[in-house]
Amino acid sequence: GEDVEQSLFLSVREGDSSVINCTYTDSSSTYLYWYKQEPGAGLQLLTYIFSNMDMKQDQRLTVLLNKKDKHLSLRIADTQTGDSAIYFCAERGSFQKLVFGTGTRLLVSP
Amino acid sequence: GAVVSQHPSWVICKSGTSVKIECRSLDFQATTMFWYRQFPKQSLMLMATSNEGSKATYEQGVEKDKFLINHASLTLSTLTVTSAHPEDSSFYICSASPVGTNEKLFFGSGTQLSVL
Repeated sequence: GEDVEQSLFLSVREGDSSVINCTYTDSSSTYLYWYKQEPGAGLQLLTYIFSNMDMKQDQRLTVLLNKKDKHLSLRIADTQTGDSAIYFCAERGSFQKLVFGTGTRLLVSP
Repeated sequence: GAVVSQHPSWVICKSGTSVKIECRSLDFQATTMFWYRQFPKQSLMLMATSNEGSKATYEQGVEKDKFLINHASLTLSTLTVTSAHPEDSSFYICSASPVGTNEKLFFGSGTQLSVL
């Protein structure tokens, strides 16, 4: 079955870059996503990448996709304290369903 | 971006009662909406796929008689937790994809359900 895994925790200093990693198993994934969740809130779509792309950049966010290794990463440049949240990667496979990773808690210290 | 409104944001109810959660797409139409459940500090688990005008498709292990889903229009899906028990306490989140866009899924702000 589909499985998406992430490291649980990442701590960085304000101004540094953050890299959050994700691995998935479904080779038929069409889109891969990054969502941000703040405490007690829903999910905010940050960015997504089509499976035939290997990179996408959107302002401070850079997504890298290695389809061969089924590895997805999200790089946040110039990380701010407001970026502290839980980040979920998700892959979209059959029937448009999203399968979410375990989430990475990002803590940004001043 | 597209807005998905979920109501209520939180609800407390007694065991045995039913609770209805609404999910509305405010500025777009959605033929398909999804309902997820999230336990504290855990990931989101898909419960069911709600299709406008037809029966919902439930994931394995999700009781369709307990979690009733109705998708009566292109902008509204409802989830009713029937005969709620304390173990149903959880964070419920809906999502929707605008008609004509296959790639984007937008999420509601979630509903925290506490069953006493």
